[in-house]
Amino acid sequence: DTAVSQTPKYLVTQMGNDKSIKCEQNLGHDTMYWYKQDSKKFLKIMFSYNNKELIINETVPNRFSPKSPDKAHLNLHINSLELGDSAVYFCASTLGLAGTYEQYFGPGTRLTVT
Amino acid sequence: GQNIDQPTEMTATEGAIVQINCTYQTSGFNGLFWYQQHAGEAPTFLSYNVLDGLEEKGRFSSFLSRSKGYSYLLLKELQMKDSASYLCAATFMNTGFQKLVFGTGTRLLVSP
Repeated sequence: DTAVSQTPKYLVTQMGNDKSIKCEQNLGHDTMYWYKQDSKKFLKIMFSYNNKELIINETVPNRFSPKSPDKAHLNLHINSLELGDSAVYFCASTLGLAGTYEQYFGPGTRLTVT
Repeated sequence: GQNIDQPTEMTATEGAIVQINCTYQTSGFNGLFWYQQHAGEAPTFLSYNVLDGLEEKGRFSSFLSRSKGYSYLLLKELQMKDSASYLCAATFMNTGFQKLVFGTGTRLLVSP
């Protein structure tokens, strides 16, 4: 009965590779997010989708491309991985928009780029 | 900007009370969340304040002053399991949509 799930949980890869992280929520929420949490534990929003439509794009390099095939799924594809991309990536979802609803976070994907 | 400031680290003893403060820039502000994050885990929701005043929920309470751009999270009867990071997060209007901005988190260490 997992609410927000992400795969994979761990991802180790070399610089220059392309990788994808998948996220699914079974809560019936309309809005999904990708966050990046760096080594200093700072959690920063990257993208937000509402009913499959991109509503927030926080000046993320265009090597990062989110895709939402339906409102229950939000995937993140990363091209030409760099050392600085190493972080924990969290997917989250809310009922409606972010303003007044709590966010439910997935377990995170720890990406290590070597 | 939408800076959110909170102390980096705090320590307290079991059974005590601790207050974690958070300040934010008031321009475009809508509401204030507190999340708890244990090491290696995802953040989990603790509280939400949109009106001035104190919201109490068991051992945890959260306070908001909109005019001062200030919030605090109060933890009573501390337990060892309360050792975690506490993230203050504020929502701001952003091109017609509200965006949640997190502070850097306060790492709380509870000792016996």
